Amino acid sequence: DAKTTQPTSMDCAEGRAANLPCNHSTISGNEYVYWYRQIHSQGPQYIIHGLKNNETNEMASLIITEDRKSSTLILPHATLRDTAVYYCIVRVASNLNSGYALNFGKGTSLLVTP
Amino acid sequence: AAGVIQSPRHLIKEKRETATLKCYPIPRHDTVYWYQQGPGQDPQFLISFYEKMQSDKGSIPDRFSAQQFSDYHSELNMSSLELGDSALYFCASSSRRVAETQYFGPGTRLLVL
Repeated sequence: DAKTTQPTSMDCAEGRAANLPCNHSTISGNEYVYWYRQIHSQGPQYIIHGLKNNETNEMASLIITEDRKSSTLILPHATLRDTAVYYCIVRVASNLNSGYALNFGKGTSLLVTP
Repeated sequence: AAGVIQSPRHLIKEKRETATLKCYPIPRHDTVYWYQQGPGQDPQFLISFYEKMQSDKGSIPDRFSAQQFSDYHSELNMSSLELGDSALYFCASSSRRVAETQYFGPGTRLLVL
């Protein structure tokens, strides 16, 4: 799987948009970008994933650059409960023949402040 | 919606004892993954199962074994426990037939004294 690079930590004011960047310059054409977050000692929580198009769900938006070498996770209106470690993970999609574990890197520790 | 269930949530053992952790996947999920997260570390993949067969192996010590049963629940068996085995153990489940997004359970916190 391609390696990812994320900032170690970021701050965001409550109510503002949190933009979390991720570099994955060695990503392959069949690799997806997944985002998970982990609130202190809880199980990692799936946020969103995408291949090349931008994606949006009820939690966040994922913007992937055209060359797919980087992406940004956007939490549109951050709340205190969004304080967590955010992991950007690049991985081939599993199929009926093969499954692929998640390779968690260091992640970004996001602190949302009042 | 139903989530991944793990039991027990907390476990305290002595060195050289054994421990069994259980994972109940989301209904209709066919794949189970086990991850270990040491203090201050990121989750590390241990082992996975698909349709009751071992699918992939990560950094799982030889002292650990796991299996997936006919009802798709999985158990992680840990023997000759060491102090360094103290960690959070997460189970995740997914369906290879649909999207294959992994959903995690709340974890089991194991403390070895």
